[in-house]
Amino acid sequence: KQEVTQIPAALSVPEGENLVLNCSFTDSAIYNLQWFRQDPGKGLTSLLLIQSSQREQTSGRLNASLDKSSGRSTLYIAASQPGDSATYLCAVKTQGAQKLVFGQGTRLTINP
Amino acid sequence: GAVVSQHPSWVICKSGTSVKIECRSLDFQATTMFWYRQFPKQSLMLMATSNEGSKATYEQGVEKDKFLINHASLTLSTLTVTSAHPEDSSFYICSAHGLAVQETQYFGPGTRLLVL
Repeated sequence: KQEVTQIPAALSVPEGENLVLNCSFTDSAIYNLQWFRQDPGKGLTSLLLIQSSQREQTSGRLNASLDKSSGRSTLYIAASQPGDSATYLCAVKTQGAQKLVFGQGTRLTINP
Repeated sequence: GAVVSQHPSWVICKSGTSVKIECRSLDFQATTMFWYRQFPKQSLMLMATSNEGSKATYEQGVEKDKFLINHASLTLSTLTVTSAHPEDSSFYICSAHGLAVQETQYFGPGTRLLVL
């Protein structure tokens, strides 16, 4: 059974800092891994999708990496801004399965 | 990009009533839709997977007679919370998966249910 863990559960940093969010998964036979952002009381916004054959994906100040063999992914946020404050969720799609398995999320606060 | 809508965005109802939530894929055909439940400050918990034209597959611990799912077309799935009770109060989110296997899931904005 796939399990996804995100560390830390919460993170607070000053504006302008670079930061890394971590995601680990137990079953390396994944189809893809996705990072989402969720603002309070809102739905999910997809940030980056990494296919199992890829090592990383970049979008603006965001960079996500994938190391399938070690069961890890990181989300790197450069030059953080107060608008980046949200909960970030990592989700894994295992091969042969339709559903996504979510981590518990990291609540990020960027202080002005 | 692909858009998924949910209706209503929030609902307040009395205990014992039934509530229907709609999930629509607006600009693509969704062969599979997923229903999630999210409690405050917790992650998403998958409730069920529904494929168009067939019965939904429920996750362990989710009562299928309590949470009725219908996926009658490629653009619409509905979740009905029957005889709702205060413990059913939660944030319900749907997602839709397109025809191509490599496609991601597209998430709706969520429906907040409060049962009094």
